[in-house]
Formats: sequence, C-alpha cells, structure tokens
Amino acid sequence: GENVEQHPSTLSVQEGDSAVIKCTYSDSASNYFPWYKQELGKRPQLIIDIRSNVGEKKDQRIAVTLNKTAKHFSLHITETQPEDSAVYFCAASIGNNRLAFGKGNQVVVIP
Amino acid sequence: DVKVTQSSRYLVKRTGEKVFLECVQDMDHENMFWYRQDPGLGLRLIYFSYDVKMKEKGDIPEGYSVSREKKERFSLILESASTNQTSMYLCASAQTYQETQYFGPGTRLLVL
Repeated sequence: GENVEQHPSTLSVQEGDSAVIKCTYSDSASNYFPWYKQELGKRPQLIIDIRSNVGEKKDQRIAVTLNKTAKHFSLHITETQPEDSAVYFCAASIGNNRLAFGKGNQVVVIP
Repeated sequence: DVKVTQSSRYLVKRTGEKVFLECVQDMDHENMFWYRQDPGLGLRLIYFSYDVKMKEKGDIPEGYSVSREKKERFSLILESASTNQTSMYLCASAQTYQETQYFGPGTRLLVL
C-alpha cells in the first residue's frame, strides 16, 4: 500500500472557517512529518513540520498534530483566507533516508 | 536565501531523444532529489543523492538515470525519452532528509 495517504483529496471551506487535512502513514519508524504548500504555478514550500517527540506544533494560523499510536497526523488551518487556497502535501520520513509524500489535497477557500 | 535552479522551465523533445535536466543548488546541501509531479499522483521520487557520486533509487526510477559529479549539481537523464515521461520535473535539495527540502521552479517536459 501507499506509504502516506491524504484525505480528503479536495476540500472547500468558507473564508474564515477552519480546514483540517489528515494524513496516515504506514512506517512505524517514521519520525519526521513535514507539510508543504504549493500555490498554483509555484514550487512547493515547507509551511510546518513536526517530529515524533512532540504531539502538536503551532505557527500562527496553522498547526500540526501527530498521533503516533494511530499513525496519523493532521494539518489545521484556522481563520482561512483566500491566500490559503493551494495544494497541500504531507510527507513522512521513511527508512532509506528519504521522504514519502502524499498525493496532495486541493484546498479551496471560498470568499 | 536558498536558491535551487533548474536549467529549463519548458522543454519539448522527440520520442527516443536523450534528455538532460540540470539542477543546481547554492547552499552546500548534502542531499538532492528529483521528483516527478503529475495531476492526482502527487510528488513521486525518481532518484536521490546524499553525497557526491552517490545515488539511490526512489519509487519510479525506470527509464531514468542521474549524475552527481559535484555537490551543487544533480542531473536527471532520460536515456530514450518516451511519451509517458511527459510531466513536470521538480528538483529539491536539503541538508538532511529530515530538514526542509527547497524546491526548484520545475521543468515542464513534453515528449512528442
């Protein structure tokens, strides 16, 4: 199966509401979980990451939570704004010194 | 600021041609990566390198090879381009695989 799975594939939210994207991973040895944002026509950029020794990390309107027992981690965006519209990729570190990326979530913020 | 550059933004090649995609980073990063991005399939790793002259296969290495003769440069080679290699190719670099990966602008390759 896939190393990293993302759900849902597309998410539409009203401006000002919250958005949550969930990823599951299969490698129990994974210990680094970054999230990348890719705006239309641009390159992916890291927005937040979390390591396995913490359960939650926040940076202004975005946060990431990690549940190692269940092997899932989630990106939370509060007070969404039009500039949050993008594709978001989660990733997990896997055994052979690399990351495995999910297929991406399209987030659409409706003004 | 970290800068990762790729040799071409757009490229059109014929089936059977040998294609070179070049990536250069200016931050002395140890690790470099080549990804392929297709709609609905996310970022798929083709090859990566953790040191000069070292290379490791990713998830989809078939039909590709790589070269890393210098630390700052990582080349992706399509030995004999095929139409199913039409895609967006993204290069990235990072000091370690558990740190920020900095992506290049991408090369959109069309194989006719």
